This record gives sequence, structure tokens and C-alpha cells, in this order.
Amino acid sequence: QTVVTQEPSLTVSPGGTVTLTCASSTGVVTSGYYSNWFQQKPGQAPRPLIYNTSQKHSWTPARFSGSLLGDKAALTLSGVQPEDEAEYYCLLYYGGAQPVFGGGTKLTVL
Amino acid sequence: EVQLVQSGAEVKKSGESLKISCKGSGYSFTYYWIAWVRQMPGKGLEWMGIIYPGDSDTKYSPSFQGQVTISADKSISTAYLQWSSLKASDTAMYYCARLVSYDSSGSTGYFDYWGQGTLVTVSS
Repeated sequence: QTVVTQEPSLTVSPGGTVTLTCASSTGVVTSGYYSNWFQQKPGQAPRPLIYNTSQKHSWTPARFSGSLLGDKAALTLSGVQPEDEAEYYCLLYYGGAQPVFGGGTKLTVL
Repeated sequence: EVQLVQSGAEVKKSGESLKISCKGSGYSFTYYWIAWVRQMPGKGLEWMGIIYPGDSDTKYSPSFQGQVTISADKSISTAYLQWSSLKASDTAMYYCARLVSYDSSGSTGYFDYWGQGTLVTVSS
């Protein structure tokens, strides 16, 4: 069974920069995994941030960026704001319309 | 404005059946895949499956195949998720989301709009 792994938790100071990663148990994450990133705050539905590794939705703040970093997909927040405190999930696509979510990263802004 | 509006919270007993809905508006419902995603209490997101309302082509995650049924009625722009016999372990929030697919099979793409979620509580 394919497992997608994210850091369980990260802490960042306001105004700082933090990178969240998304690893696949199958090996190197490439652009062919079409990675997606979502933000979820308590009591809310997930909000899409990034798709196709680095593409932003029209509503995605400029401080969020997606990339490939080493053998993983990555989400970088630059100039973190207090309102960025949330759970972040990645999603990777595998063959046959079987995408898998990562376990999520709880980001604390402190 | 694209919207996905889900049906309200449900409280059921083990063994009962249930069908929840997701109504799309503001776009051509027929031509976009709809996905269902589960979130158990305090846990992460799980992809359950997708349906293409145009022809009801459906794909399930192996974890959910045979456990739920996904369907759609394109005439009323509504997708459904149903259970024939609920279990306490089905207690969760269920989200629908629109999938913009890169191909005709729904095998890759991205989710843009999400429903507000339907909380299903099953007591034993």
C-alpha cells in the first residue's frame, strides 16, 4: 500500500519562512505525480492552494509556493502570517486515478 | 459562482442505510468529475472515489470499493454517496470536491471547489 509522508508538525515565527515536504513510499516524487497542496483550518473544508506541483489557484496568496525539493514535493511559505496556522495536506497521483493524501502537517505560528 | 452544497448532518444507527448528496451550481455539472473525501474525527483526508456525471463512470479507492456507492443524477446536478449498512466506523465528515481532470479518465488533475462537508454520526 502506497504511503505519502509529511512532517507531523512544524513551528514557524511570524514573518519567517517554512518548507513542508511530501514524500512517497514508492520513491522519488516527480512532476508526474501532479502534487496538490491543501490548507485546512479547524471546522472548515480543505482549501486548495497548489496544483500540478507549482501552479497556484487564483485565490492562493503569493507567499505560498510549490516545488520539487530533492526527492519530495514541497510547499514553502515565505513571510508567514498568523492566519497561516493550519493543517496542510499534500496529494499525490498514482496510476489509475488512485490519488493518495499525505497524513498532514500541523503548522504552528508562534 | 461555482458552488458545491452538501446535504445536512446525519445521525444514524449501525445497520441503517444512508444517502448523502452534493449539488453543484455555477458550472456545467455534467463535464467535471466529482470526488468524495472522508475525514474521520481528528484524522486526515482520505480519497474515496470519483464519478463523471456525464456518463456515471465511477472509480473507487480499493479501501472503499464495496463499502460505499457513488452515483450522480446529472439532470439535477447532484452527486451522491451511499451506504447500505452503516457501521460505527463510518462516523466521519464527508466532503465532495470538483476535480478538474487533465484527461478524460479522471486519472490526474486537481480539486478546486469543495463542498462544506456532511457530518455522519453512526451509533452502535
